Amino acid sequence: NAGVTQTPKFQVLKTGQSMTLQCAQDMNHNSMYWYRQDPGMGLRLIYYSASEGTTDKGEVPNGYNVSRLNKREFSLRLESAAPSQTSVYFCASSVLGNDQPQHFGDGTRLSIL
Amino acid sequence: QKEVEQNSGPLSVPEGAIASLNCTYSDRGSQSFFWYRQYSGKSPELIMSIYSNGDKEDGRFTAQLNKASQYVSLLIRDSQPSDSATYLCAVIRFNKFYFGSGTKLNVKP
Repeated sequence: NAGVTQTPKFQVLKTGQSMTLQCAQDMNHNSMYWYRQDPGMGLRLIYYSASEGTTDKGEVPNGYNVSRLNKREFSLRLESAAPSQTSVYFCASSVLGNDQPQHFGDGTRLSIL
Repeated sequence: QKEVEQNSGPLSVPEGAIASLNCTYSDRGSQSFFWYRQYSGKSPELIMSIYSNGDKEDGRFTAQLNKASQYVSLLIRDSQPSDSATYLCAVIRFNKFYFGSGTKLNVKP
C-alpha cells in the first residue's frame, strides 16, 4: 500500500520554466491538498480539493494552478517558475470529515535558479 | 492572530526525561486535534489524534486537550534521541486544516 506518492522527488528549474508536480493516492480519500514548506514558515496551503471535481485556493495560491484529474490524482502546476517558489512541496490526502487526519507524501524538493 | 500557535523552540531535554510540547488555537469552533512528527528532510507523520477534553495515551505519548483554554499538549515520556524532530500541531475547523509552525525538539543523550 503506497499511500500518497509524489513525483518527482527533486527538481531544478530555471526562472520562467514551467512544470507539473504529480500526486496520487491509493487510499480512496476524497480530499487532497498541496502545501509548501519553507524554513521557519511551517506548512502553507496552496490549493485543495475537497472532493473530485472541486478545487479551492488556500493561503498562498498565486503562481500556481491545480487539476484534480480524478479521485486518485491531484497535480500542481507552476506556469512560470520564480525563485520565490523554491521550496519543499507536500501533497496530502484525507477522508472528508471533521475528524479525519491528513496523510502526506514524501515531498518534492524544488529549486528555481 | 494565527489559527494555531506553537513555540518554535528548540526545546532541549535530556534522554529519559519528559518532553512537553504545547499548542494553542484561536477558534473555539475547532473540532479535532492532531500531532505530527517531522524528521529533518522528511514528511509529516501522524502520531496522535484527540477529539475530546482530557488525556489520550498511546505508548510513550500522551495528548492532552483543554477546549475551555483552547490548549493542546503532547507529552513524550522517557524521551529518546530518536524523538528529536519537529512536532506540528494541527486542528480542523469546518473541514479545514490549520497547522502550527512546529516546535523543534532536541533530546540529548
